[in-house]
Amino acid sequence: QKEVEQNSGPLSVPEGAIASLNCTYSDRVSQSFFWYRQYSGKSPELIMFIYSNGDKEDGRFTAQLNKASQYVSLLIRDSQPSDSATYLCAVNMSGGRIPGTYKYIFGTGTRLKVLA
Amino acid sequence: NAGVTQTPKFRILKIGQSMTLQCAQDMNHNYMYWYRQDPGMGLKLIYYSVGAGITDKGEVPNGYNVSRSTTEDFPLRLELAAPSQTSVYFCASRQMEREKLFFGSGTQLSVL
Repeated sequence: QKEVEQNSGPLSVPEGAIASLNCTYSDRVSQSFFWYRQYSGKSPELIMFIYSNGDKEDGRFTAQLNKASQYVSLLIRDSQPSDSATYLCAVNMSGGRIPGTYKYIFGTGTRLKVLA
Repeated sequence: NAGVTQTPKFRILKIGQSMTLQCAQDMNHNYMYWYRQDPGMGLKLIYYSVGAGITDKGEVPNGYNVSRSTTEDFPLRLELAAPSQTSVYFCASRQMEREKLFFGSGTQLSVL
């Protein structure tokens, strides 16, 4: 089982619709969860982070976390063509050689296409 | 602040050659990371460091080595380059466990 799993897509949605991106993770003790956006040929940039169960909203973006199900999602409301990018889920995981430290593991990313 | 600086931006290697990818940050971050990204894929963790002299393996460490003698620098060494190491390499840093990663602009490496 991969440590962080995402559907690679592409996920196509019409302009103005809600895009829903999903992510599951394997480490039950993970505490921090992140969504990064990456445009083609560019570096990833952070758009959302969430630490507690439930929803967290920031503008058109909502992150949802369910630790019992080990599931994180990102909703993008009123999707715009400029939202077309790859969305990477990342989880801060323990379990390395160095006690008390955390690896930052990414999923394979979901490619989102917003159709004008 | 320059943030995270990676050099070179592009490099072509022949099979069996060695090289060092440079990464430097000027934000006094404790954590530094090396990732590789193959076409159409996510980021895979190669190595990470939690401070000077302290490093650990990530998901795909084989064929690579790292060292961290200062807080600022975290070079990645490729020994005996292979075509499977053709990828885009990203260096990133952050201060604490719950903070975002700051990425460099990446190094595109081709091994032919």
